[in-house]
Amino acid sequence: AQSVAQPEDQVNVAEGNPLTVKCTYSVSGNPYLFWYVQYPNRGLQFLLKYITGDNLVKGSYGFEAEFNKSQTSFHLKKPSALVSDSALYFCAVRVISFNKFYFGSGTKLNVKP
Amino acid sequence: KAGVTQTPRYLIKTRGQQVTLSCSPISGHRSVSWYQQTPGQGLQFLFEYFSETQRNKGNFPGRFSGRQFSNSRSEMNVSTLELGDSALYLCASSLGSDRANYGYTFGSGTRLTVV
Repeated sequence: AQSVAQPEDQVNVAEGNPLTVKCTYSVSGNPYLFWYVQYPNRGLQFLLKYITGDNLVKGSYGFEAEFNKSQTSFHLKKPSALVSDSALYFCAVRVISFNKFYFGSGTKLNVKP
Repeated sequence: KAGVTQTPRYLIKTRGQQVTLSCSPISGHRSVSWYQQTPGQGLQFLFEYFSETQRNKGNFPGRFSGRQFSNSRSEMNVSTLELGDSALYLCASSLGSDRANYGYTFGSGTRLTVV
């Protein structure tokens, strides 16, 4: 069975500090991993994805994520947080054969000035 | 190019009524998927349509149904509405499903409130 876990409901960080939003996954077969961001009353916006290749993936708005196969993790990172990064972040694994995403429960990121 | 369009944005219905939500995918995209988002259950897969055929269905009761038209536009219907159906309903479109790197673009959602 496929599943994604985001162990933190909320992450608080000061503006200018580095941020990490954690994600672990469980899949059978090759993992196709994604991060999406959601602002209030909006849909999901794509940030980045890991399909294959380099373990460090760079995405939109200065975000990056590191795929770690041995730890089955795909943590989202940013070197310097902005107040405008405050939003709900979802990690997801995609099952290609079914074109279906399994989403984590989401992590609310609060960046304080 | 235009994104994924969901209509209406907001909807208020009474228990027992039925509702139809619409999703227009990005031009050229043939796959449309639907998700329900609630604070308690998070994001849950409802179903996926490709070329007018439902290929996958999530674990929802038969009150939830959908269809896709020849122009790839999709509708989702919920009959006999319950209070627990109050949610943000998101659709996403994609070229297809057989390539891992196919983009998957979400609409802004329809906020359904059942009173």
